[in-house]
Amino acid sequence: DGGITQSPKYLFRKEGQNVTLSCEQNLNHDAMYWYRQDPGQGLRLIYYSQIVNDFQKGDIAEGYSVSREKKESFPLTVTSAQKNPTAFYLCASRDPRGPNYGYTFGSGTRLTVV
Amino acid sequence: AQKITQTQPGMFVQEKEAVTLDCTYDTSDPSYGLFWYKQPSSGEMIFLIYQGSYDQQNATEGRYSLNFQKARKSANLVISASQLGDSAMYFCAMREPTGNQFYFGTGTSLTVIP
Repeated sequence: DGGITQSPKYLFRKEGQNVTLSCEQNLNHDAMYWYRQDPGQGLRLIYYSQIVNDFQKGDIAEGYSVSREKKESFPLTVTSAQKNPTAFYLCASRDPRGPNYGYTFGSGTRLTVV
Repeated sequence: AQKITQTQPGMFVQEKEAVTLDCTYDTSDPSYGLFWYKQPSSGEMIFLIYQGSYDQQNATEGRYSLNFQKARKSANLVISASQLGDSAMYFCAMREPTGNQFYFGTGTSLTVIP
């Protein structure tokens, strides 16, 4: 079955470390997105990519970086510059040719700074 | 300014009863899409229902219906015949014409009581 796989499900990071969250999709979707979810704040867009080798900043890109070397993969790196990285991170993909449909989401990665 | 407002942080409903989750939105674009997602405790966001701004009829998907009142900028979700498995967070979201970003509300936590 097609879908989005995020790994790991839980991730612990020490202060000052960079960590990378994985997101892989086999839906053949061109567009991929990273969202951050904090309690009581809904989802906020970090980065998105509409095609391979291209990506744009979202509303809260500071302290994060991404790459899109393959259509299937859109990893997110949380750098040491992100001052408050503890959150739930959701990856999503979407077929831009299907405007009546929303995103397909992964099951998320919960990042905790220790 | 908030694009999506969900004013009910938590709701309770008796099993088999209907419940309405409120959502208001703010946009000046004539073309937009409105979505509802369910997020169970596992974390994955599950697409429930979609309403386009030009759709004349209210959207329905099984037990879910969307009460779309365009003049009031309201897109309430109605769940009929609630089931215990409906207990989850529910998010309202809006997509504007570029489709590059969804705006999410802060969510409503629904608890179904046996």
